[in-house]
Amino acid sequence: GAGVSQSPSNKVTEKGKDVELRCDPISGHTALYWYRQSLGQGLEFLIYFQGNSAPDKSGLPSDRFSAERTGGSVSTLTIQRTQQEDSAVYLCASSWEGPSYGYTFGSGTRLTVV
Amino acid sequence: LAKTTQPISMDSYEGQEVNITCSHNNIATNDYITWYQQFPSQGPRFIIQGYKTKVTNEVASLFIPADRKSSTLSLPRVSLSDTAVYYCLVVDPGANNLFFGTGTRLTVIP
Repeated sequence: GAGVSQSPSNKVTEKGKDVELRCDPISGHTALYWYRQSLGQGLEFLIYFQGNSAPDKSGLPSDRFSAERTGGSVSTLTIQRTQQEDSAVYLCASSWEGPSYGYTFGSGTRLTVV
Repeated sequence: LAKTTQPISMDSYEGQEVNITCSHNNIATNDYITWYQQFPSQGPRFIIQGYKTKVTNEVASLFIPADRKSSTLSLPRVSLSDTAVYYCLVVDPGANNLFFGTGTRLTVIP
């Protein structure tokens, strides 16, 4: 597609439930990133996928967070047993090969845990 | 990753030139400087990138002195639609991700 697409745009979930957030990167972009942004804060790196290499998961805050990327394209970020502190905007970005090529971000998924 | 320091916020009137300065004292030889812009309810958008001296595109100019310990993003004749958060980043070409600080919140006033 023309841009990075994320769904859903908004998600309200009850504490303790699992959620899945989806990202469709720009076609041909081999690198995909997940960040999250809390209200009024900067972006926090979560995970990085590059081609067929093992993902860099160094930013995942706990083992409740996981992500996969199928077929080198679509990615899903899963948060298990959501907590209120997980409430944030989750942003996905893609780029040609790595961060030095510049990111294109999606509009994000606003997650609210009640 | 080299740390960056930039003002938390700035105000400007419409039509004025705005200069946002970022310091990055620990920048490494291979690093370069990138600026992103973020509007409310959107992801950040790449606006300009440079290694040294001056870079200009249709949106902004980027000035980098010889010692590269700082950089200045210049927005000519801002309009209300330039109200956004501007992030200064130092990019390590070998790194796996970009580090975004809290940025500079620019408010353009009518």
